[in-house]
Amino acid sequence: AQSVTQPDIHITVSEGASLELRCNYSYGATPYLFWYVQSPGQGLQLLLKYFSGDTLVQGIKGFEAEFKRSQSSFNLRKPSVHWSDAAEYFCAVEGTGRRALTFGSGTRLQVQP
Amino acid sequence: GAVVSQHPSRVICKSGTSVKIECRSLDFQATTMFWYRQFPKKSLMLMATSNEGSKATYEQGVEKDKFLINHASLTLSTLTVTSAHPEDSSFYICSARVQALNYGYTFGSGTRLTVV
Repeated sequence: AQSVTQPDIHITVSEGASLELRCNYSYGATPYLFWYVQSPGQGLQLLLKYFSGDTLVQGIKGFEAEFKRSQSSFNLRKPSVHWSDAAEYFCAVEGTGRRALTFGSGTRLQVQP
Repeated sequence: GAVVSQHPSRVICKSGTSVKIECRSLDFQATTMFWYRQFPKKSLMLMATSNEGSKATYEQGVEKDKFLINHASLTLSTLTVTSAHPEDSSFYICSARVQALNYGYTFGSGTRLTVV
């Protein structure tokens, strides 16, 4: 069965600093990978996804992620964080068969002024 | 495009009553929808997969008699929490996979259920 690990539960960065959120997955084949962001009490918004092709994926709000098969990773990056980026970030992988998403445990991002 | 509308956003009910949560795909047809439950400061746990015109598939440990799922049309799936108890209080989110253009998954805005 597939699994997703987000090793960082909580990250604090200063506004304007760069950001990298880690995501590792366990999956037997080439995965479909996603990053979502969730504000408190809200649903999930898709930041970006990787299905195939170019391993560097550009998303919304200035985010990007790089798929590294050799490391089973799909880390999310942003060169300059804004205060509005403070939220919960989830990495997810699409499983075979039931076609549902398996989520990591999430990383809470705090942005300091 | 590919919007899922979920209602209500918040509901408070008394123990023993039932609550229905609706999830509608507004601009696409969703043959399959997914229902997740999220505990405070926790990740999303898949509860069940809802298929239009057939019975839902429940994940291990999810009581199908407590969490009734109906997917009677290509645009509507409902989750009914029956005989609710305080431990059913949670944030419930629906999702649909959008086939067109490898879109991925879209999510409703969630329902905060509080059972008192």
